[in-house]
Amino acid sequence: DIQLTQSPSFLSASVGDRVTITCRASQGLNSHLAWYQQKAGKAPKLLIYAAFTLQSGVPSRFSGSGSGAEFTLTIDSLQPEDFATYFCQQLNTYPLTFGGGTRVEIK
Amino acid sequence: EVQLVESGGGLVQPGGSLRLSCAVSGWILSDQYMDWVRQAPGKGPEWIARSRNKAVSFSTEYAASVKGRFTISRDDSKNLLYLQMNSLRTEDTAVYYCSRDNRNYGFDHWGRGTLVTVSS
Repeated sequence: DIQLTQSPSFLSASVGDRVTITCRASQGLNSHLAWYQQKAGKAPKLLIYAAFTLQSGVPSRFSGSGSGAEFTLTIDSLQPEDFATYFCQQLNTYPLTFGGGTRVEIK
Repeated sequence: EVQLVESGGGLVQPGGSLRLSCAVSGWILSDQYMDWVRQAPGKGPEWIARSRNKAVSFSTEYAASVKGRFTISRDDSKNLLYLQMNSLRTEDTAVYYCSRDNRNYGFDHWGRGTLVTVSS
């Protein structure tokens, strides 16, 4: 199985900060990587697919980059509604797997 | 409007069975890949099953943790996706979500989830 390691697992940030989350895969993913945001009690919401393509309706302060086995989610100018948990997911190989998550909290 | 609504969760004893349903509206189900994803309390999501679309004969894939115990199926005439869960274990306790699977482009629509609790 492909393991996805997210770092950090927790971060504390302020409104307006730039935040970067990394997802490292145990093998190459051919850019078949997605990022999700999840708030308490809600389903995950797709933010980014194919490593860097913004899902329709997602604010442009979210961006994705990377290739091969290392990927990054960046949030420019963190907003109050962005405090949530973020997961990466690989869609390259079965079983499809998710990272362990990064919880973003208000400093 | 695209909508997915899960139902059928509840409390079941270890070794028991449960069938979850996902009512889909807003698109033609037979054209879509669909998945079940679960999330245990305080844990990250876990993909468990995929049903491909009509073009590939609704073929299926499963995670090792549920293979042989769970079955994903669909009734396209009713726009319903199912997850039949047999031989349930305490570790199957989770919120179960159905989602539309845009293949390599992520899971772009999700239901609100239904809670399954396996306990004696």
